[in-house]
Amino acid sequence: ETGVTQTPRHLVMGMTNKKSLKCEQHLGHNAMYWYKQSAKKPLELMFVYNFKEQTENNSVPSRFSPECPNSSHLFLHLHTLQPEDSALYLCASSQEPHFPGQGLYGYTFGSGTRLTVV
Amino acid sequence: LAKTTQPISMDSYEGQEVNITCSHNNIATNDYITWYQQFPSQGPRFIIQGYKTKVTNEVASLFIPADRKSSTLSLPRVSLSDTAVYYCLAHSGSARQLTFGSGTQLTVLP
Repeated sequence: ETGVTQTPRHLVMGMTNKKSLKCEQHLGHNAMYWYKQSAKKPLELMFVYNFKEQTENNSVPSRFSPECPNSSHLFLHLHTLQPEDSALYLCASSQEPHFPGQGLYGYTFGSGTRLTVV
Repeated sequence: LAKTTQPISMDSYEGQEVNITCSHNNIATNDYITWYQQFPSQGPRFIIQGYKTKVTNEVASLFIPADRKSSTLSLPRVSLSDTAVYYCLAHSGSARQLTFGSGTQLTVLP
């Protein structure tokens, strides 16, 4: 258990379905992130929330819709997905900003949701 | 966020010491170096972080020379369970996002 909990761990959905991924952190962090990791590819940053405000949207298609109701919870709403959206979706949190020498430990990731779109 | 370069893959045998070197020629004064470990179907896990010289914790050591243009992650006496992808990042404390490269796939053989 890393302190960042993602549910569900596995999800299979049809292209016409609507589903949501949930992320919860109990670390007192003020920033949360969604990453996508496709097979054999590097992690791709999707969204960044800082103090509940979205600060980054890395050209993600509108079929992915994030929501951050408070600094401890983050959702990723999915609708009309494509098979190529099948991937491991990872949530992370951090305390921002932080500076060298303060012994901070970077990002804490959840275990991810393995999404399969059929 | 400084660009980093690390080997794509490495093989080792159980019980050996493994050193993975990362190059970050354009590292900025405010940047520090962080290493993560990722097992299949899991999120990356923080291993170690440093700014200069040597840092050691219960898992690994991190060596950073004076010019800080490279760093070396040292894993003592690896076991099969150390098989994973290892990522090197160089970033400032005020970085709004972390960008992960392809990492180094370490395979520990029996």
